[in-house]
Amino acid sequence: DTEVTQTPKHLVMGMTNKKSLKCEQHMGHRAMYWYKQKAKKPPELMFVYSYEKLSINESVPSRFSPECPNSSLLNLHLHALQPEDSALYLCASSQDATGDPYEQYFGPGTRLTVT
Amino acid sequence: AQKVTQAQTEISVVEKEDVTLDCVYETRDTTYYLFWYKQPPSGELVFLIRRNSFDEQNEISGRYSWNFQKSTSSFNFTITASQVVDSAVYFCALMEYGNKLVFGAGTILRVKS
Repeated sequence: DTEVTQTPKHLVMGMTNKKSLKCEQHMGHRAMYWYKQKAKKPPELMFVYSYEKLSINESVPSRFSPECPNSSLLNLHLHALQPEDSALYLCASSQDATGDPYEQYFGPGTRLTVT
Repeated sequence: AQKVTQAQTEISVVEKEDVTLDCVYETRDTTYYLFWYKQPPSGELVFLIRRNSFDEQNEISGRYSWNFQKSTSSFNFTITASQVVDSAVYFCALMEYGNKLVFGAGTILRVKS
């Protein structure tokens, strides 16, 4: 089973709202990732969690706050977003994030619109 | 700095034609990994292949084949007898030690019936 699930599929939020994106995997992977993808662009890495600890933060603004409650779950908390934050947010997981690179498996994404 | 170039922005073919998607990469590392992902209109990136820098053997998987040439820093992807379901955006990506994927700009493939 190579499935990564993400909820919600679509989210519309105002600039003063607080919302969360959720990601779950049951492949026993120990690394999880958040990517942001703007229309007609490739995905851009935001955060990497390895063994439930934040290992990479690609200088993401603090209005995005990641959380890894356990090895299967990854959240992205959103607060005071800007319209330019509207994008497809993709979650991914891989067997590990240390040593030899493993392929990353992606979820279907959450399409976020900030109004 | 590592970089991935997919020079073909968009390719249109008729069903059953063969099509090759080009990927050229730049890296200073001797150990690196190359990937291809498919992104259909639904949005989910689908992993297709991983190749490490020490393995230059070409690979075939059904209608898909990959040609890795270190001498030209290329990792091209060929779809034989294309089908409408192959229509998607295809990304080539490079990863150095540390699991940080760097994607190319992507190639939009349109297969018409």
